[in-house]
Amino acid sequence: EDQVTQSPEALRLQEGESSSLNCSYTVSGLRGLFWYRQDPGKGPEFLFTLYSAGEEKEKERLKATLTKKESFLHITAPKPEDSATYLCAVQAAGTASKLTFGTGTRLQVTL
Amino acid sequence: AAGVIQSPRHLIKEKRETATLKCYPIPRHDTVYWYQQGPGQDPQFLISFYEKMQSDKGSIPDRFSAQQFSDYHSELNMSSLELGDSALYFCASSPTGTSGRYEQYFGPGTRLTVT
Repeated sequence: EDQVTQSPEALRLQEGESSSLNCSYTVSGLRGLFWYRQDPGKGPEFLFTLYSAGEEKEKERLKATLTKKESFLHITAPKPEDSATYLCAVQAAGTASKLTFGTGTRLQVTL
Repeated sequence: AAGVIQSPRHLIKEKRETATLKCYPIPRHDTVYWYQQGPGQDPQFLISFYEKMQSDKGSIPDRFSAQQFSDYHSELNMSSLELGDSALYFCASSPTGTSGRYEQYFGPGTRLTVT
């Protein structure tokens, strides 16, 4: 069964203090690993897809990387508006395959 | 850019009643997914459809059923509602099969409260 574990559960950073979120996974036949951002009461917002080990994607202050066992979401010089829950999910190969999510990392960025 | 549309956004029902949730995918997306998210939990997969055919099924109760119509919109029908069904229900769509891209775009969700 596919499994995703995220750490830490919660992270509090000061504005400008860079850090990384971890996502460890086991999946039979990885099609892709996905990062989402979710604000309270709202739908997950798509950030990145990573398909193979060694791949990296960047968007503003965020950078996602992938190995065969884990993915990292690096946040450089965060701002208060980056505060949210960051979800990692994996998808196995197959038509219309589900996403299996981790429990997320709640990030709070303070001034 | 167009996003996934869900209706209603909020729904209050009593135990044993029925509810119907609707989802309109992003144009030209051929795959629809339904997820349930309880308070403080991650989204849990319920069911998916590709080209109007059921494709994958998760831990969806027998009291729930879903379908995708010819215009690609989808409906989740929930009967004999229980207090434990109270949750956020998300629909997501993806362009799978047409572009080789697999990311799922989520709608704003329907908050179901069962009293």
